[in-house]
Amino acid sequence: SQQGEEDPQALSIQEGENATMNCSYKTSINNLQWYRQNSGRGLVHLILIRSNEREKHSGRLRVTLDTSKKSSSLLITASRAADTASYFCATDVTNQGAQKLVFGQGTRLTINP
Amino acid sequence: NAGVTQTPKFRVLKTGQSMTLLCAQDMNHEYMYWYRQDPGMGLRLIHYSVGEGTTAKGEVPDGYNVSRLKKQNFLLGLESAAPSQTSVYFCASSYRVRDGYTFGSGTRLTVV
Repeated sequence: SQQGEEDPQALSIQEGENATMNCSYKTSINNLQWYRQNSGRGLVHLILIRSNEREKHSGRLRVTLDTSKKSSSLLITASRAADTASYFCATDVTNQGAQKLVFGQGTRLTINP
Repeated sequence: NAGVTQTPKFRVLKTGQSMTLLCAQDMNHEYMYWYRQDPGMGLRLIHYSVGEGTTAKGEVPDGYNVSRLKKQNFLLGLESAAPSQTSVYFCASSYRVRDGYTFGSGTRLTVV
């Protein structure tokens, strides 16, 4: 089963509204990262939150991490049409001595004008 | 600064043919990765490298080989392509083991 699972799988909101996406994971992590992927493009790194951090901000992005619940959320405030994309959480885990970044299946976000 | 460059961007192969996907980065990153992305499966790690001359297996390595002869290049080879290898392939790199990754724009491969 997936280490990181995003919820919801798809989200459609009006421009100007806030968008919240959630990520749950199963094993302990070193850090958790969020990426954006526009249609037909590669992934772009948005923000990284370390396991000892609880909240982080970057522009209109706010990420929270609750290691006791093994969950994270990504909030995009005042959404814009350009925010339409898929968003992936990725957990940085150490497995058998090797560090790996494990991606969830993503949330497809649509911002309606 | 080009970042991570993947070639080719598109390719159609017949079953049994071979090909090599090239990934080049100009950021002096130590770590490089190959992922495949399939609908409903997210990204899955194929192989990765922690430095020049090193490679290691990821989650789905079967049917693929890799080489990292130069620090800036990471090659992914398909010796005998199968329809199950139809996918979008992404290369990524990072400077340190726990940094964010920089991704290439992908290679869309179809095996018929």
